Amino acid sequence: KNEVEQSPQNLTAQEGEFITINCSYSVGISALHWLQQHPGGGIVSLFMLSSGKKKHGRLIATINIQEKHSSLHITASHPRDSAVYICAVRSEGGGADGLTFGKGTHLIIQP
Amino acid sequence: DAGVIQSPRHEVTEMGQEVTLRCKPISGHNSLFWYRQTMMRGLELLIYFNNNVPIDDSGMPEDRFSAKMPNASFSTLKIQPSEPRDSAVYFCASSLAFFGRRAGDTQYFGPGTRLTVL
Repeated sequence: KNEVEQSPQNLTAQEGEFITINCSYSVGISALHWLQQHPGGGIVSLFMLSSGKKKHGRLIATINIQEKHSSLHITASHPRDSAVYICAVRSEGGGADGLTFGKGTHLIIQP
Repeated sequence: DAGVIQSPRHEVTEMGQEVTLRCKPISGHNSLFWYRQTMMRGLELLIYFNNNVPIDDSGMPEDRFSAKMPNASFSTLKIQPSEPRDSAVYFCASSLAFFGRRAGDTQYFGPGTRLTVL
């Protein structure tokens, strides 16, 4: 079973700061997802990565397959970015195609 | 599209009662997932279906839990009998898998059902 570790668990920053959230996993994967869970509980898929880097607006996600590590970056952070960010992986090879989740990073952006 | 629809949004029940959670996936999606989220364990996969067939139910905690997908537009997760430790938010998600794969890349989550078992 893949072990997914996220850091930090909690992060409070000021508006405008550059944010980095990290995710490490223990075994090979076929895909890694970054999800955003809003204070109301809804979950939105931000990115799906299998290699390299993806950018969407102020969000950037990178993955290093050799190091089994991914980062989510937020540039020019804003209070509306406050949410829980969850890393999830789909392991390669046999086994479930469902996702294994990290515990999440609780981000608060203060005005 | 209305997205993934779950009902009820909130359920409060007493220990020992049967609970049925419902999910309608996005039209055209062929993979459906049931997840459970608790403070202690975070999000966990319970079971997933591909083309209405259960593929992996290894995450189902015990025999009290069962899931069905009688057709492409409807799935249920049943707990019988319910226990206080089943209290959690239960999410359903769907995706579109191509080329014989069993799961698509992007999963679309429903709003969740918050279950409280007293």
